[in-house]
Amino acid sequence: AQRVTQPEKLLSVFKGAPVELKCNYSYSGSPELFWYVQYSRQRLQLLLRHISRESIKGFTADLNKGETSFHLKKPFAQEEDSAMYYCALSGLTGGGNKLTFGTGTQLKVEL
Amino acid sequence: DGGITQSPKYLFRKEGQNVTLSCEQNLNHDAMYWYRQDPGQGLRLIYYSQIVNDFQKGDIAEGYSVSREKKESFPLTVTSAQKNPTAFYLCASTTQGITGELFFGEGSRLTVL
Repeated sequence: AQRVTQPEKLLSVFKGAPVELKCNYSYSGSPELFWYVQYSRQRLQLLLRHISRESIKGFTADLNKGETSFHLKKPFAQEEDSAMYYCALSGLTGGGNKLTFGTGTQLKVEL
Repeated sequence: DGGITQSPKYLFRKEGQNVTLSCEQNLNHDAMYWYRQDPGQGLRLIYYSQIVNDFQKGDIAEGYSVSREKKESFPLTVTSAQKNPTAFYLCASTTQGITGELFFGEGSRLTVL
């Protein structure tokens, strides 16, 4: 079974402070990991994927297979980063590609 | 305007009634998904389909049914057997393969009276 755990329901930081949203996963094969973001009154959308090794809006995430983690980081939080963030895992099952999401972390950036 | 469209946005239903939520995409995506979003529980997978005329149960399929007769359409029926149907439902689609980006609809909010 595949599982994604986001231990924090809410993370509150001050503007300019570093941000780290935690994500741990459980999967027996080689997973693909993603971070999705939902801004207020907008659709859920992809933020970044581990395979691309990219930085989007200043966010990065490194897949650590030893710790089975995929934490999302940003060195300096901005007010516009306030949103709901979901970590997601994509893995192959007998029925095809299955995407599993974590419970989400609400990031609040305070001035 | 390409994308994924869900309807209706808001729906009210009496207990004991079945209701069908529509999901249409014009992105030519093979795979489509239905998720349920509840506060504090994130997104939970109800059903998914990789190809026309085939679909798989997700983690919380009980009380739901789907069909995939056309590539662009993946309707979800919430049956009277679903014990707690009041929720926000999200449909999504993606290209085949596990690295594809998931595109989401705006969601449908179902309230059972």
